[in-house]
Amino acid sequence: GAVVSQHPSWVICKSGTSVKIECRSLDFQATTMFWYRQFPKQSLMLMATSNEGSKATYEQGVEKDKFLINHASLTLSTLTVTSAHPEDSSFYICSARRQGIETQYFGPGTRLLVL
Amino acid sequence: GDSVTQMEGPVTLSEEAFLTINCTYTATGYPSLFWYVQYPGEGLQLLLKATKADDKGSNKGFEATYRKETTSFHLEKGSVQVSDSAVYFCALSVLNSGGSNYKLTFGKGTLLTVNP
Repeated sequence: GAVVSQHPSWVICKSGTSVKIECRSLDFQATTMFWYRQFPKQSLMLMATSNEGSKATYEQGVEKDKFLINHASLTLSTLTVTSAHPEDSSFYICSARRQGIETQYFGPGTRLLVL
Repeated sequence: GDSVTQMEGPVTLSEEAFLTINCTYTATGYPSLFWYVQYPGEGLQLLLKATKADDKGSNKGFEATYRKETTSFHLEKGSVQVSDSAVYFCALSVLNSGGSNYKLTFGKGTLLTVNP
């Protein structure tokens, strides 16, 4: 159990377009989902925390108008990178946890390349 | 603030060698400790965890013991295999300042390469 999927696994887009990444918990209800960004050969940087049905909490320095997060159901959260630019190219990873359980389960990641 | 320091790699070993990856932490609260593994091009997988002092987490031959007195959670494996080649992340989890959610803090990761 505790499987998290992401879609798409990789995406290439033109500068100025918006990209939506989906994160789904397949076999459990995720009251909280997290979005991370990972640069090459570096650790994960937490971008935001989202609780189902409420607004996401963004980490300091993360632009909430650029990285739109929606957690509309207990099994789905989406990250939309608006007006993407080449500097937004990165590996985006989501994770999910059950209510009352602190362990986070991670998705396989989405590689974004903005041309 | 909370932080995790783990030995910088890369670490290169021969198959069947003994592995140790050091991890120490600082935390304001009483954290849970984790080791995650990331294979090339993939997301993170939970390898093992420990939630209180002197707990030992173990999985797939890997072990780590929560040492409160030394604030450490070193990862060990007695005999590594080529398939263990990956990046290993040490992490801690504490309740956030609002008390509403757990937040993971990661170390920088250690790249392990095991040669046949």
